[in-house]
Amino acid sequence: NAGVTQTPKFQVLKTGQSMTLQCAQDMNHNSMYWYRQDPGMGLRLIYYSASEGTTDKGEVPNGYNVSRLNKREFSLRLESAAPSQTSVYFCASNGGAPGELFFGEGSRLTVL
Amino acid sequence: GEDVEQSLFLSVREGDSSVINCTYTDSSSTYLYWYKQEPGAGLQLLTYIFSNMDMKQDQRLTVLLNKKDKHLSLRIADTQTGDSAIYFCAESIASGGSYIPTFGRGTSLIVHP
Repeated sequence: NAGVTQTPKFQVLKTGQSMTLQCAQDMNHNSMYWYRQDPGMGLRLIYYSASEGTTDKGEVPNGYNVSRLNKREFSLRLESAAPSQTSVYFCASNGGAPGELFFGEGSRLTVL
Repeated sequence: GEDVEQSLFLSVREGDSSVINCTYTDSSSTYLYWYKQEPGAGLQLLTYIFSNMDMKQDQRLTVLLNKKDKHLSLRIADTQTGDSAIYFCAESIASGGSYIPTFGRGTSLIVHP
């Protein structure tokens, strides 16, 4: 019973490097989300995808791109990482029950 | 998290009740939620309440909603050390058919013996 799986769990980057965070869910959910969590800031929405083929910006989209590859997978790309993007990133999915999100375990990213 | 506010810390003794409070600003919020995050893990939905309800009880958890004051609270009866976690309040409104939660900053609950 995997639920929402994120990879990698940990990553260290140098400023200017690029990387992609992967997320996959096996619950046949339509909606998927990417949040970042910073100390004292709670969770802030980066991008979301209400259904396969659609993506929309959230509260803090600058510096990120996303791809909804298919119904299962939603990836987050950092084209040129900056120290301000050091954070814990969470992917989540929703199957229709309003606001009931299922979260992955998080990906801890450090940008030096 | 600007639209949802909660205190950052709460410390209680094991066996006591815990009350975590939250205020929100969007009067059109249709659903309000409490999520729990244990160390090193993602968030898990604990409970939620429709905006037309005043109270919801689920075993040791009681959620109270005061729509007039836009105030939501979570009461945990007989708090145990396993309840130590970060608790997030969230609100959501419909947006193009989706309900996207907006989270508060989280309240760290510390339960000591």
